[in-house]
Amino acid sequence: GIQVEQSPPDLILQEGANSTLRCNFSDSVNNLQWFHQNPWGQLINLFYIPSGTKQNGRLSATTVATERYSLLYISSSQTTDSGVYFCAVDRGSTLGRLYFGRGTQLTVWP
Amino acid sequence: GAVVSQHPSRVICKSGTSVKIECRSLDFQATTMFWYRQFPKQSLMLMATSNEGSKATYEQGVEKDKFLINHASLTLSTLTVTSAHPEDSSFYICSADRGFDEQYFGPGTRLTVT
Repeated sequence: GIQVEQSPPDLILQEGANSTLRCNFSDSVNNLQWFHQNPWGQLINLFYIPSGTKQNGRLSATTVATERYSLLYISSSQTTDSGVYFCAVDRGSTLGRLYFGRGTQLTVWP
Repeated sequence: GAVVSQHPSRVICKSGTSVKIECRSLDFQATTMFWYRQFPKQSLMLMATSNEGSKATYEQGVEKDKFLINHASLTLSTLTVTSAHPEDSSFYICSADRGFDEQYFGPGTRLTVT
């Protein structure tokens, strides 16, 4: 299957700082999604972004499909941003099967 | 829109008993639903793909007789863990494909087998 690598594995920030999370994937993909898993386990859709750039408030994402990576930017981080951020890709071959990275554990301190 | 619910959110059962977990898409129809398992501090592991009206497709290494999946309607899929054992204790998460290849996830079910 396709390999999805996320970096860094852990990130500790002071409130107000900016950060960039990276997702590399080993093959061409049909779609890419970023999720935030909150401390209660709920995965929240952040972006559906197979290519290009999108912004939603303090978060934005860019996917460069030709170079097989995606970036998630978090600006002016808040304590509520804490949790695990997952990148997941779909090769478009098997009914929308998602391949997940290992995630980035983000901790934001006040 | 695009809300997926799971029930129960938490369940404790005795070894040898069976547990059923429901996954519902509340405001859209989902031809395809997915079941994942997540161990502490690890990523999500796909267990099976559930298609309405047909048999589920299980990932390699997942016992289909132990993890029974039924997708009886376009808004409901169920996962039954049969003859549960302590090693089945885990966080189970479902997702539903709203179409356009975007998946939405339920809040998860924490299963503890004593």
